[in-house]
Amino acid sequence: QVQLVESGGGVVQPGRSLRLSCAASGFILSNYGMHWVRQAPGKGLEWVAVISYDGRNKYYADSVKGRFTISRDNSKNMVFLQMNSLRAEDTAIFYCAKDYRSEGSNLDHWGQGALVTVSS
Amino acid sequence: AVQLTQSPSSLSASVGDRVTITCRASQGVGSGLAWYQQKPGKPPKLLIHDASSLEIGVPSRFSGSGSGTDFTLTVSSLQPEDFATYYCQQFYFFPLTFGGGTKVEIK
Repeated sequence: QVQLVESGGGVVQPGRSLRLSCAASGFILSNYGMHWVRQAPGKGLEWVAVISYDGRNKYYADSVKGRFTISRDNSKNMVFLQMNSLRAEDTAIFYCAKDYRSEGSNLDHWGQGALVTVSS
Repeated sequence: AVQLTQSPSSLSASVGDRVTITCRASQGVGSGLAWYQQKPGKPPKLLIHDASSLEIGVPSRFSGSGSGTDFTLTVSSLQPEDFATYYCQQFYFFPLTFGGGTKVEIK
């Protein structure tokens, strides 16, 4: 069965960096696009970024463009989110999610999430 | 970015009720829309993909319809486990966007 496990969350000061990881199993990672979606405490879902199945195409939300970078290592079944210049408003649960197809479509499996808290 | 407006933002309903949630897009998104259910402390779960296709394993009381700018999620007979928050999401344009959510509560 598909399993996505996020790690790397924690408390970080404003302006600092953090790298999230997502370990994928139960499917052929190299066939599917992968996403990061976040949810601030008590708020709705906000899409963050997607990377195509082969890593060639990446798209970002305007709120994180230029600060966050999505990447993947299909040989290790891993997806990453490098987050730089973090702000208080980036505080959220970050979910790794599998795309239904090769790039950007429905998100059919989700991890349990990693909590990122940006605070001094 | 495409804005998705869900209505209502919350509703109260009883077990057995028929419930309809709408999602309106600020521009046409074809059939590039999905519906998710989220329960407190849990990740979202895909219910409907490509506007009207029921995801495998999802009960048939859930259905989706619409295309272009107007979409609907219907629960034909609300069950106790259906009390949750529901989100629509478009994937026709980047950046992908989610609606603000509809919280379904017990009356």
